[in-house]
Amino acid sequence: SQTIHQWPATLVQPVGSPLSLECTVEGTSNPNLYWYRQAAGRGLQLLFYSVGIGQISSEVPQNLSASRPQDRQFILSSKKLLLSDSGFYLCAWSPTRPSNQPQHFGDGTRLSIL
Amino acid sequence: DAKTTQPTSMDCAEGRAANLPCNHSTISGNEYVYWYRQIHSQGPQYIIHGLKNNETNEMASLIITEDRKSSTLILPHATLRDTAVYYCIVRVAGNAGNMLTFGGGTRLMVKP
Repeated sequence: SQTIHQWPATLVQPVGSPLSLECTVEGTSNPNLYWYRQAAGRGLQLLFYSVGIGQISSEVPQNLSASRPQDRQFILSSKKLLLSDSGFYLCAWSPTRPSNQPQHFGDGTRLSIL
Repeated sequence: DAKTTQPTSMDCAEGRAANLPCNHSTISGNEYVYWYRQIHSQGPQYIIHGLKNNETNEMASLIITEDRKSSTLILPHATLRDTAVYYCIVRVAGNAGNMLTFGGGTRLMVKP
């Protein structure tokens, strides 16, 4: 069966520091991969998605970036964190085919910026 | 994607069926109905999805009206661990960039 791993679970970082969150998927190949952010008490905001290695689409302009160095690895990064980057970051995956298949989420990383 | 309307909160007795309604009156013919739930501080968990036929899996049943303007998620025997926020989402399949738009959801409280 397929599993998705996200780490770390919680992270406290100072303003201006770099960020690297990692997500890996097991048990499938060539998945679609997603990074979402969920602000407290609010819905999900899609940040990035990827349909293949090295292919990244950005939904929201910001100081975050994403990379997909391997088929089942998705990384969210920042060179300098802002206070507004605080939130709950979720990685998700979905099969490429059939196209109606749901997205499956990891357990998330709760990021606090001080 | 079509907008959905769900009750803000519901209570259910442990062991009884929980029926969670969702209105999606502007749903298009190519939009699927997906249900997720989120327990506090965890990632959303996929439950079930469907297009127009009723669906059942090990977690729940999904009943979609004939005109597809509303649906009901049924948890047949609710347990305390089913306490969560339940989200009904309608989404067009086929575009990886179609994000999942979570509305307010229904906060289900299962009581002993």
